[in-house]
Amino acid sequence: AQKITQTQPGMFVQEKEAVTLDCTYDTSDQSYGLFWYKQPSSGEMIFLIYQGSYDEQNATEGRYSLNFQKARKSANLVISASQLGDSAMYFCAMREGIWGYQKVTFGTGTKLQVIP
Amino acid sequence: GAVVSQHPSWVICKSGTSVKIECRSLDFQATTMFWYRQFPKQSLMLMATSNEGSKATYEQGVEKDKFLINHASLTLSTLTVTSAHPEDSSFYICSASRGHTQETQYFGPGTRLLVL
Repeated sequence: AQKITQTQPGMFVQEKEAVTLDCTYDTSDQSYGLFWYKQPSSGEMIFLIYQGSYDEQNATEGRYSLNFQKARKSANLVISASQLGDSAMYFCAMREGIWGYQKVTFGTGTKLQVIP
Repeated sequence: GAVVSQHPSWVICKSGTSVKIECRSLDFQATTMFWYRQFPKQSLMLMATSNEGSKATYEQGVEKDKFLINHASLTLSTLTVTSAHPEDSSFYICSASRGHTQETQYFGPGTRLLVL
């Protein structure tokens, strides 16, 4: 079974509109972390936002927010007021394990294109 | 803070040679470092996890003798691709974390390897 599933290979959004990128995960661990990263064409992975499994509030970082629904095992990324510079690949990732040994699994990514 | 560098950013080599890639955490001590491989338009695949002062833990299917990982200090990990072949051509990315369970991974800019 896939640990991280991103069902949207590609998305388009109009500039200044909001967009939601889907991510579902599968784990039997009680303690885990969920991440979203942005990868522009340059290749660098840019950390956007983090949600811990015990965090009760949804994480927010500027224009990014994570819609965490633990019972559904989903961690969707919401980008508000899209900008042209948001065009990139977006990866959802999950970390499992304990201090000293951790494993991070990435989803297959969603290519977001912002239209002027 | 939390800057990770990689060197070199680009390397072209002949088949049969060995290539060393360095990953450094510049402003923090990285107890754990990760090495990933990414093929074009695909997700990141974890190759190995290394903890400072101990042997790396390789993922299934990754050849230990082919991809030598040395985590010599809390700020430096190296990946050596031994006897490189064209099929080893890929984008290699390292990441580092302080090792706490709920710690974010910070990624280096990646190294593009082309084996002729």
